[in-house]
Amino acid sequence: QEQLVESGGGLVKPGGSLRLSCAASGFPFSNYYMNWIRLAPGKGLEWISYIGSGGSAIYYADSVKGRFTISRDNARKSLFLQMNSLRAEDTAVYYCARAIDYGGNSYLDSWGQGTLVAVSS
Amino acid sequence: DIQMTQSPSSLSASLGDRVTITCQASQDIRNYLNWYQFKPGKAPKLLIYDASNLETGVPSRFSGSGSGTDYTLTISSLQPEDIATYYCQHYDIVPPYTFGQGTKLEIK
Repeated sequence: QEQLVESGGGLVKPGGSLRLSCAASGFPFSNYYMNWIRLAPGKGLEWISYIGSGGSAIYYADSVKGRFTISRDNARKSLFLQMNSLRAEDTAVYYCARAIDYGGNSYLDSWGQGTLVAVSS
Repeated sequence: DIQMTQSPSSLSASLGDRVTITCQASQDIRNYLNWYQFKPGKAPKLLIYDASNLETGVPSRFSGSGSGTDYTLTISSLQPEDIATYYCQHYDIVPPYTFGQGTKLEIK
């Protein structure tokens, strides 16, 4: 059964750091590009980062560029998000999600259950 | 950037009702429109991709339609397990994934 499981969330002070992990199972992880998406309380969903299947193509939303770093370890079937210089507005549930290309479209066909990051003093 | 406007933001309906949620893009998005279901504490679920294609395993009471700038998610007969928040999503180059504001569906 295909599954994504996030971990590493928690309470952190402004300016602090956290490293999120996403463990994949039940599918050939190295064949897929992956994303981090977040849902902040009272706000909508926000895409924050993408990494290609081999790890060389990487993109970030402007809101996290320079502070967050996405990476992956295909041998360990794991996706990571290193979050530095955290701000109150980074408080959200963070999801990892697998992407599928379909013609010119792309959709997220498998998600984890999310991990909560709370930034507060 | 293309903007996605989803409506309504919340919706109260009775079991068995036909429910419709709409998503409007700021320009033609050529059916690059997908729908998701979010329930608290659960992994989000893809329902519809490419405007009208039902994801494998999704009940047939869910359907998607639309073209150009206007798209619709329909639940033909509301069931208790459909209580959730629904989001539309458009794919483009940058940013790759843009979401609507969400529609919270409740039982009347």
